[in-house]
Amino acid sequence: DIVLTQSPALAVSLEQRATISCKTSQNVDNYGVSCLHWYQQKSGQKPKLLIYEGSNLASGIPARFSGSGSGTDFTLTIDPVEADDIATYYCQQSKDYPRTFGGGTKLELK
Amino acid sequence: EVQLVETGGGLVQPGRSLKLSCVASGFTFNNYWMSWTRQAPGKGLEWVASITNSGGSTYYPDSVKGRFTISRDSAQNTLFLQMNSLRSEDTATYYCTRGGRRIFDYWGQGVMVTVSS
Repeated sequence: DIVLTQSPALAVSLEQRATISCKTSQNVDNYGVSCLHWYQQKSGQKPKLLIYEGSNLASGIPARFSGSGSGTDFTLTIDPVEADDIATYYCQQSKDYPRTFGGGTKLELK
Repeated sequence: EVQLVETGGGLVQPGRSLKLSCVASGFTFNNYWMSWTRQAPGKGLEWVASITNSGGSTYYPDSVKGRFTISRDSAQNTLFLQMNSLRSEDTATYYCTRGGRRIFDYWGQGVMVTVSS
């Protein structure tokens, strides 16, 4: 199985930049496309797709969210962080079965 | 507007069965893969099953293979998850999700399944 590793938590100040990392145990690129996606889950709510294929913003997602990376190292950036962004962020790979998620990074306010 | 509404959750004893349903609306159901993803209390997300848009192929992780069956009824725009031989570790909120070939782009509100004696 492809294992996705995220830091459990990240503390950030409002209006600052947050950088959330996701490292995969295998290369998740496929013919030049990164099979790595990001989701946001606020407390008590369902997850929401943020970024797909490494860097593509999902519909309705504000431009302060961006994704980058390739191969085994990926980053979700939120700049600037707003109060509404406090949530847990998960990465997910679709390179292989089983589909797997990272353990999630809880974004907290400093 | 895409809507996914799950039903069928509840409390069930270990070893028993339960069937979840998800009614989809707001999109052409036959055009999309569909999946189930779960989240144990206080834990992360775990993919449970996917089915192709035609229903011809299904996919499962080892943790549920042979116990869970995903299916779909295109006439009723409904996705199902038949769960047999339930274990305490299957206790979770189960989300119906659109997609699964790559991304899970829409999620239902989720339905709670508790496996306990």
